[in-house]
Amino acid sequence: TQLLEQSPQFLSIQEGENLTVYCNSSSVFSSLQWYRQEPGEGPVLLVTVVTGGEVKKLKRLTFQFGDARKDSSLHITAAQPGDTGLYLCAGGYRGHGNTGKLIFGQGTTLQVKP
Amino acid sequence: NAGVTQTPKFQVLKTGQSMTLQCAQDMNHNSMYWYRQDPGMGLRLIYYSASEGTTDKGEVPNGYNVSRLNKREFSLRLESAAPSQTSVYFCASSEVPGTIYEQYFGPGTRLTVT
Repeated sequence: TQLLEQSPQFLSIQEGENLTVYCNSSSVFSSLQWYRQEPGEGPVLLVTVVTGGEVKKLKRLTFQFGDARKDSSLHITAAQPGDTGLYLCAGGYRGHGNTGKLIFGQGTTLQVKP
Repeated sequence: NAGVTQTPKFQVLKTGQSMTLQCAQDMNHNSMYWYRQDPGMGLRLIYYSASEGTTDKGEVPNGYNVSRLNKREFSLRLESAAPSQTSVYFCASSEVPGTIYEQYFGPGTRLTVT
């Protein structure tokens, strides 16, 4: 069974602080996505990483895919209240063939206080 | 371009009642998925349809049925609702085949079974 473990589960920080969320597995993924979900809404895709060691930046958000494609991290610089939400990582697994099924982590709830 | 739409947005059922949750996507995606999201449990796959004309069970299919009506539409039916089915339900779609399994989500249906 493929699992994605996210840590931490909850994070409450002050505006302006930096933070890192981790997503780890013992399985190799062909791609890994990060989503953000705001209260009352569906998850929204932030980024996809596909190459081991890949780093992508989205304004103050930096995403990294581990060299072995088993783990990923999301780093937020100078967090703002608008970053508040649930962050989900999800992995695409070749063993699922052409189903497109994803394996989701449990999520990290981030609260950024003004 | 509406993306993924879901109806209804909210629903209250009594135990034993039935209902169908509707989902449609306008991105010409091949694959569609139904998830439920419960506090502390993350997103759990109920059923999916890898392509028009096929459906398969996910992680938690008991008590649900699905219909892939055409390439655009994928419905989820609760034949006899139970309080354990109180949850938020999300539909998603994905362009498959490929190795980048990005999924795009609808806004969700909040279901309460009393």
